[in-house]
Amino acid sequence: GAGVSQSPRYKVAKRGQDVALRCDPISGHVSLFWYQQALGQGPEFLTYFQNEAQLDKSGLPSDRFFAERPEGSVSTLKIQRTQQEDSAVYLCASSQGPTGLTEAFFGQGTRLTVV
Amino acid sequence: EDQVTQSPEALRLQEGESSSLNCSYTVSGLRGLFWYRQDPGKGPEFLFTLYSAGEEKEKERLKATLTKKESFLHITAPKPEDSATYLCAVQAGNSGGSNYKLTFGKGTLLTVNP
Repeated sequence: GAGVSQSPRYKVAKRGQDVALRCDPISGHVSLFWYQQALGQGPEFLTYFQNEAQLDKSGLPSDRFFAERPEGSVSTLKIQRTQQEDSAVYLCASSQGPTGLTEAFFGQGTRLTVV
Repeated sequence: EDQVTQSPEALRLQEGESSSLNCSYTVSGLRGLFWYRQDPGKGPEFLFTLYSAGEEKEKERLKATLTKKESFLHITAPKPEDSATYLCAVQAGNSGGSNYKLTFGKGTLLTVNP
């Protein structure tokens, strides 16, 4: 595809349920980021991959959050035992270079609602 | 800790009425300052990257400038299609911290009325 693709677009989860959010970055992009965006706020950094290596996971809010990019392309963000405070839009972005300084392309996001 | 503050939170303009959005930042070693546009229900769309004080970049009706403490996004003769939330973000090069993440402000919601 031409852009970053995220699925599902919308996810409703019952409190305590596990969820998996998928990101298909632009082909060939080295850098991949996950961000969390609450309503009316700017995106907040969760984690960064350079190819398959997770170089920074300092933004993951708890050990319930886990991300992987096993083959250096598709990435999955998993949230275990979801809580209401996890409700947000989860954005994935990819960029061509390894430093993250080049233009980052964002997907449309997955809106997660925990009920 | 890196901080980004955007003002105003919301701005309403008439079509053709030029104005500026402000982004104030504190960061340990700025690597880059980014401007994004975000439409409702969509991900942010890249506009500009600025790397050093004094740098300016232009794209259609938008012009971004950078000083050591803040950045401005100037909008000249805006049109209704410029209505969106404009986000500012910084990437720091501070040793010991994350050199990859973008720290975003809360954004300025711009509405341009016809």
